[in-house]
Amino acid sequence: DQQVKQNSPSLSVQEGRISILNCDYTNSMFDYFLWYKKYPAEGPTFLISISSIKDKNEDGRFTVFLNKSAKHLSLHIVPSQPGDSAVYFCAASASTYKYIFGTGTRLKVLA
Amino acid sequence: NAGVTQTPKFRILKIGQSMTLQCTQDMNHNYMYWYRQDPGMGLKLIYYSVGAGITDKGEVPNGYNVSRSTTEDFPLRLELAAPSQTSVYFCASSGGGARNEQFFGPGTRLTVL
Repeated sequence: DQQVKQNSPSLSVQEGRISILNCDYTNSMFDYFLWYKKYPAEGPTFLISISSIKDKNEDGRFTVFLNKSAKHLSLHIVPSQPGDSAVYFCAASASTYKYIFGTGTRLKVLA
Repeated sequence: NAGVTQTPKFRILKIGQSMTLQCTQDMNHNYMYWYRQDPGMGLKLIYYSVGAGITDKGEVPNGYNVSRSTTEDFPLRLELAAPSQTSVYFCASSGGGARNEQFFGPGTRLTVL
């Protein structure tokens, strides 16, 4: 049972436009969510997080939105840059030290 | 700070062989984790530790063992390698509690033939 789902394996966006990456979850006990970015042959690096008490968190070009009723979160990147091309993972936790990761979305930003 | 380091970077094992994947962090983090990532899949938690001397199973612990004798080191042991253990293994650490981000190592690519 995949508790965290990223249904789009890949996404292509023109440089300067908005990238929207989606993540759905099934466990209503999840209360903390993170996004990680991963380049080839490297480990994932933390990007941005959001607690379930918020519906939006912003950090520079990156904004995460949380819709608890729909069990859905999204990562917006504006404007997209070629260096943003990577695999993006969302992860969720239910007040524990353990995170459940989604399968990832490969973003390609076209110059 | 080196962060989280993993050795080796690559390894090919024969079925039935054993090996230890090394993981060291220099951030004095209490929490450490081992994940595996199969092609097209997300990261699956194998084992984790909340401090020296304390370890617990994650989602996919079968075929693996861990130990945590120091804060810095969290080795992962494969006793009888199987082709199903072909994967990329990532070690991670975090400090300060469950809400903190995890810092990942660069990964070990393991192939079992």
